[in-house]
Amino acid sequence: DGGITQSPKYLFRKEGQNVTLSCEQNLNHDAMYWYRQDPGQGLRLIYYSQIVNDFQKGDIAEGYSVSREKKESFPLTVTSAQKNPTAFYLCASNSLGAGRVNTEAFFGQGTRLTVV
Amino acid sequence: AQTVTQSQPEMSVQEAETVTLSCTYDTSESDYYLFWYKQPPSRQMILVIRQEAYKQQNATENRFSVNFQKAAKSFSLKISDSQLGDAAMYFCAYSPDNNNDMRFGAGTRLTVKP
Repeated sequence: DGGITQSPKYLFRKEGQNVTLSCEQNLNHDAMYWYRQDPGQGLRLIYYSQIVNDFQKGDIAEGYSVSREKKESFPLTVTSAQKNPTAFYLCASNSLGAGRVNTEAFFGQGTRLTVV
Repeated sequence: AQTVTQSQPEMSVQEAETVTLSCTYDTSESDYYLFWYKQPPSRQMILVIRQEAYKQQNATENRFSVNFQKAAKSFSLKISDSQLGDAAMYFCAYSPDNNNDMRFGAGTRLTVKP
């Protein structure tokens, strides 16, 4: 079955450590996204990528890094520069459909990151 | 960057009644797409309905319909015959036509009372 998979579901990090969140999709989607969700603030865009080896910063990119070496994969690294990394992280993907119609975004099940 | 505003942090509706969730957005684009997503306690995001800006007709999916007012940049969601399973966070989202920069509002928490 096609879908988008995030791992792990729960992640604990010590202060000062980098950590990488995985996101893989087998939907053949062009675009992939990372969002951060905090209570009362909805989904805020961290990074997005429309094509392999290219990505753009979203609204809250500071302290995060990404790579897009393969179409299927878009890992997110939370670096030690991110001052408040405890949050729920969602990965999504979508594609430009026929006639340049944007398709809906499909989401992974999320990763809950906690700094201890 | 485009912004999406949901002015109702929480809403409540009686089972079988109708409720409307509000969403406004800011853009200079003429072609774009609007979506409503539902996030139940499992936190899995589920698409409820979508609207293409070039279409004047409001989208409808069973009990869910939208009121799309392009000039006012308004995109409200109406849920008819509300069911207990409709209780969730609802997010409005905007995506411009020529790229995939999808933005979300802060969400509205909907409670359905039996």
